[in-house]
Amino acid sequence: DQQVKQNSPSLSVQEGRISILNCDYTNSMFDYFLWYKKYPAEGPTFLISISSIKDKNEDGRFTVFLNKSAKHLSLHIVPSQPGDSAVYFCAASVRGGTSYGKLTFGQGTILTVHP
Amino acid sequence: ETGVTQSPTHLIKTRGQQVTLRCSSQSGHNTVSWYQQALGQGPQFIFQYYREEENGRGNFPPRFSGLQFPNYSSELNVNALELDDSALYLCASSSGGRNTIYFGEGSWLTVV
Repeated sequence: DQQVKQNSPSLSVQEGRISILNCDYTNSMFDYFLWYKKYPAEGPTFLISISSIKDKNEDGRFTVFLNKSAKHLSLHIVPSQPGDSAVYFCAASVRGGTSYGKLTFGQGTILTVHP
Repeated sequence: ETGVTQSPTHLIKTRGQQVTLRCSSQSGHNTVSWYQQALGQGPQFIFQYYREEENGRGNFPPRFSGLQFPNYSSELNVNALELDDSALYLCASSSGGRNTIYFGEGSWLTVV
């Protein structure tokens, strides 16, 4: 039962354009969502997060949008840079206490940004 | 640099053997979680430790066990290794609540 899904295994974008990575979830108890970037042979690096009380969070070139009714979130990267090429994981956690450390991940999307 | 360090970085074990992986959490972080990432998949939650006690477990058999020490560092032990245990094992630490969860670079385990 895949509770967090990233339906696009890969995405190719031209440098300077917008990258949009999508994520869907099924568990309505999820209330905190995170995006991680991962290079080969490295651990995931935290990018940005959003709580279910918000519908948008921005940090520099990265913006995450949350649509709770559709159980959908997206990560926008503007402008995209070649150094953004990596695997991007969406993750979610459930309300309460130390539950935030128990993340459910999607399968990942490979982003390639072409110069 | 996340401040989460894992050892060893790579190891090869034979089916049926036992392995111990280690994690030093970032200073001040009292919560450590372990994840298994198989090739082409997202990380899967194994278990979490909070102040030296197991605080939640994913869908992994009992031969996956762990410890957290008073300094909040942690170990993951896997007994009776199977070929399917070959994966990247990730440790993550946080100070709980909605604070950021940081990952180490992982330990690559190959079971032959």
